[in-house]
Amino acid sequence: TQLLEQSPQFLSIQEGENLTVYCNSSSVFSSLQWYRQEPGEGPVLLVTVVTGGEVKKLKRLTFQFGDARKDSSLHITAAQPGDTGLYLCAGGGSNYKLTFGKGTLLTVNP
Amino acid sequence: DAGVTQSPTHLIKTRGQQVTLRCSPKSGHDTVSWYQQALGQGPQFIFQYYEEEERQRGNFPDRFSGHQFPNYSSELNVNALLLGDSALYLCASSFGGGAGDEQFFGPGTRLTVL
Repeated sequence: TQLLEQSPQFLSIQEGENLTVYCNSSSVFSSLQWYRQEPGEGPVLLVTVVTGGEVKKLKRLTFQFGDARKDSSLHITAAQPGDTGLYLCAGGGSNYKLTFGKGTLLTVNP
Repeated sequence: DAGVTQSPTHLIKTRGQQVTLRCSPKSGHDTVSWYQQALGQGPQFIFQYYEEEERQRGNFPDRFSGHQFPNYSSELNVNALLLGDSALYLCASSFGGGAGDEQFFGPGTRLTVL
């Protein structure tokens, strides 16, 4: 069974601070996706990474896929209250399903 | 262009009852996946439908069944409801349905089993 562990589970920071959340597994994934989910809504895809060592930047968000394709990180620079939400990582394998982590609940206080 | 829509938004049932949830995929998408998200957890894959057939299934009992219609919309049926079935049920659509493909999620149906 493929499992993804996310850390930290909860994170509360002040506006303007930087943060990193992690997504780790003992399994290799062919792709890894990051989603953000807000209360009462479904997850929204932020990025997909597929190559070991890949780094993608989306404005103030930087995503990295580990060289062995077992782990990933999301770094947010100068966090804003609008970044508040549940951040989920999801791994894709050779089949059709996505395996999700439990998520990191981020609160950015003004 | 409407995204993924789900109905109903909220539902309350009692143990032992049966429930049907509905999903309309994003325009142009042919694949529908269903996920269960319990409180404080990430979504868990239930199954995926493609070309009106169940293509892959997660670790869920046979009480969970589904259907996909020719217009690509889908239903999730849960029989003999248990308290533990209380969760947010998410539908995601994509084209092709590969795990690396972008999936668009609907807002979900919040099911409460009393």
